[in-house]
Amino acid sequence: NAGVTQTPKFRILKIGQSMTLQCTQDMNHNYMYWYRQDPGMGLKLIYYSVGAGITDKGEVPNGYNVSRSTTEDFPLRLELAAPSQTSVYFCASTGGSGNTIYFGEGSWLTVV
Amino acid sequence: GNSVTQMEGPVTLSEEAFLTINCTYTATGYPSLFWYVQYPGEGLQLLLKATKADDKGSNKGFEATYRKETTSFHLEKGSVQVSDSAVYFCARSPQGAQKLVFGQGTRLTINP
Repeated sequence: NAGVTQTPKFRILKIGQSMTLQCTQDMNHNYMYWYRQDPGMGLKLIYYSVGAGITDKGEVPNGYNVSRSTTEDFPLRLELAAPSQTSVYFCASTGGSGNTIYFGEGSWLTVV
Repeated sequence: GNSVTQMEGPVTLSEEAFLTINCTYTATGYPSLFWYVQYPGEGLQLLLKATKADDKGSNKGFEATYRKETTSFHLEKGSVQVSDSAVYFCARSPQGAQKLVFGQGTRLTINP
């Protein structure tokens, strides 16, 4: 029962470094999402994808990039990390309307 | 546009009190509606869902009814427990190429 798998769970980055948060799902879902959640706050959509080869910006895309070369994978890349990107990142997927939305366990990222 | 609006938090109640967290949505068509719960330090878990008008989702003593006429999906529980302390998110599912949309979250604290 893998569901949505995110890695890494915890990471500390220095300002200016780059990294990729991995997200994979084994449910053949078309829709995948990346959110960030700042302390005490709600979810802000970074990027989303409605199928392989299709991505679109969410609310807060600046400083991030995504790709969707396969149905299963939706990596999130941080270029030139900044302290403002310190947050918890959640990947989610769903088969669409009426289907349950599944979340990864979250990735805690600190930029120092 | 398509959005989800939740009752402003935080909400603080005493154990065994009645709980209502309001959620309203705007959307074209007939989205599925969800409540997710996030316990401290954890990811988001599905609490309940409803896929069509007049459906009632229920789980762990929580209930919510999909009201098309008032575009609402209010979360209720008759007698809350300390263990219900968490952040609750209302969400509506994507339709076509639309985004998965979450409310801003409501922090609930139950005091013994």
